[in-house]
Formats: sequence, structure tokens, C-alpha cells
Amino acid sequence: GAGVSQTPSNKVTEKGKYVELRCDPISGHTALYWYRQSLGQGPEFLIYFQGTGAADDSGLPNDRFFAVRPEGSVSTLKIQRTERGDSAVYLCASSLTGQAVLNTEAFFGQGTRLTVV
Amino acid sequence: QKEVEQNSGPLSVPEGAIASLNCTYSDRGSQSFFWYRQYSGKSPELIMSIYSNGDKEDGRFTAQLNKASQYVSLLIRDSQPSDSATYLCAGGDEKLTFGTGTRLTIIP
Repeated sequence: GAGVSQTPSNKVTEKGKYVELRCDPISGHTALYWYRQSLGQGPEFLIYFQGTGAADDSGLPNDRFFAVRPEGSVSTLKIQRTERGDSAVYLCASSLTGQAVLNTEAFFGQGTRLTVV
Repeated sequence: QKEVEQNSGPLSVPEGAIASLNCTYSDRGSQSFFWYRQYSGKSPELIMSIYSNGDKEDGRFTAQLNKASQYVSLLIRDSQPSDSATYLCAGGDEKLTFGTGTRLTIIP
């Protein structure tokens, strides 16, 4: 596709439920990032994939959060036992190589607004 | 802990004037810096990238990087109402660290 695509655009779930958020990066981009943005804050890094592997998952807040990218393209962010504090906009971005110093920039999808009630 | 700090604003600038947005960063090893624009309810949109000391101009936008002072800025010339948005500064060579954003309003 022309840009990064995220589905669903909105998700409302009950506390304790499991959710999956999907990201389809720009075709050919090897690097994929997940960020989380709360109201009035900048995006907060969660995890970065280079190809199929998680190159850096240091931003995942706890073991309820997990992400996969099995074929090096589409990625799924999975949240178990959701809590109200997980409510935020989850942003996905992709870049050509993941090495910003090589002048490859990251482009964001439209985000998934997750609301845990 | 790598940090990026921005003047939180809000910043109001008359139409046609120059808007100046500032950012400092803590990671002296970072080589890549970006300015994103975010309209309310939308995702961040990349408007400028800068990798070396000095100025980089693109249309009405000029990014400035001073690695010695660990300082990045964005100047918007001939400000337009459509420039009203939150501007996010980010740094990092793989994963990006973002500031909290500066909300800019251009007053007609």
C-alpha cells in the first residue's frame, strides 16, 4: 500500500480482555516500530522490528504486551489482561532500513485508539 | 535515559510571522533528528529531518542543529493558519525518542 495501515482504527474493550492491533507497513520497509501516545504526550517507544526479529523491545511496559512480525511485513501488537491504563493511541511506523543515520525516515500509520472500560 | 525536551507552549504567532520551536536532547551520541507535525486527532507527519550541524531549509521550514549545545530548532516562515498543530521533536538513530510536543497556533 501507499502508506502504513493500522487496523482497527478504534477498539473498545473491557478490562481484563485480550486485544490484537495490526500494522501493515509500507511495502519494502524492513524496519517497523510500535509507539504508544497518551493525551498531551509525545509518542512513547514500545518495540522495534528489523525484519522478523525484535531488535529492541525495551519499551514494552510489562509482560502483558507482546508483538510479532512473523513474515517480516505485517505486525501484530498483542495485549493480554487489558487494564484501563492501557488506554491510548497505539501508533505503528515503518522505515526503509531502520538506520536513521542513513537518511531513512520513519512514517506513521493513522493509529489505533484503544479504550479499556 | 535518553530525553528530548521541548518548550511546551502553547505558542501563538500572528499569520505571516516566523514561528520558532526549540528542542534539547540528552543523548550526545544521537546523529538523527526529526520534526513531526501532528494535527489534533491525527498521527504524526514527518516534515523535516536533519543529521549534521547547521541549517537545512525546505520551503518555509528551516531546521537547525547544534550538536555542541545539543539543541535542535524549527523555524516556520510566513506562518499560515494551516500550520496550527502540535510539533514534535524526535531524536535517535533507530528507535526515536520524542519530546512532549509544542502546540502552535497561528492567529489570522
